[in-house]
Amino acid sequence: QVTLRESSPALVKPTQTLTLTCSFSGFSLTSGGLCVGWIRQTPGKALEWVGCIDGDGDKFYSPSLKTRLTFSRDTSRNQVVLTMTSMDQVDTGIYYCVRLNLAADFFDYWGQGTLVTVSS
Amino acid sequence: QSALTQPPSASGSAGQSLTISCTGTSNDIGEYKYISWYQQRPGKAPKLIIHEISRRPSGVPDRFSGSKTGTTASLTVSGLQPEDEGDYFCISYAGNNNYVFGTGTKVTVL
Repeated sequence: QVTLRESSPALVKPTQTLTLTCSFSGFSLTSGGLCVGWIRQTPGKALEWVGCIDGDGDKFYSPSLKTRLTFSRDTSRNQVVLTMTSMDQVDTGIYYCVRLNLAADFFDYWGQGTLVTVSS
Repeated sequence: QSALTQPPSASGSAGQSLTISCTGTSNDIGEYKYISWYQQRPGKAPKLIIHEISRRPSGVPDRFSGSKTGTTASLTVSGLQPEDEGDYFCISYAGNNNYVFGTGTKVTVL
């Protein structure tokens, strides 16, 4: 059974850096053709692609966010970590951990989502 | 990239059919076959119900079907059931490792 779980809700101040962890089970990221990453839902932009990292360590970033993003993975612990710099209030929203099927570009599993609040 | 346009709401009686549209551009829906649909019930994670325009994952009832014409994709639910209530949204690949998302449709079963 495939599951993805995001780290606890986060409260960050404007200009600070956000760190989120996705812990997954039921599959191996290194088995090929898969990417684990993030989709967010913000009040202003509804759903938005953030990016993902695959089993080879290749990263796929949203063009609009890539200058602020860093992804890393720990394949032994089945975790993917998102780091986003220069947080702003417009980044407030729910961040979903997702699994992307790279062969056909669909998101076959989603976490429940975690709330990120950017406020001073 | 602009969001894909969906009607905010749709409704139908149990047993009826309902179709939700998802309109994009020649840079996303019009260009690619990588269009997927998701169902999100209140308090639950989104669930994949259609991928590659019309393919159903294992376990998804065959009353869910998808299609595409030009820059518009559609999801049809035949024989609506009470458990089909929830939010539905589409996603399209848009090239350059980017994806665009639908605005979402709230489905009510009367």
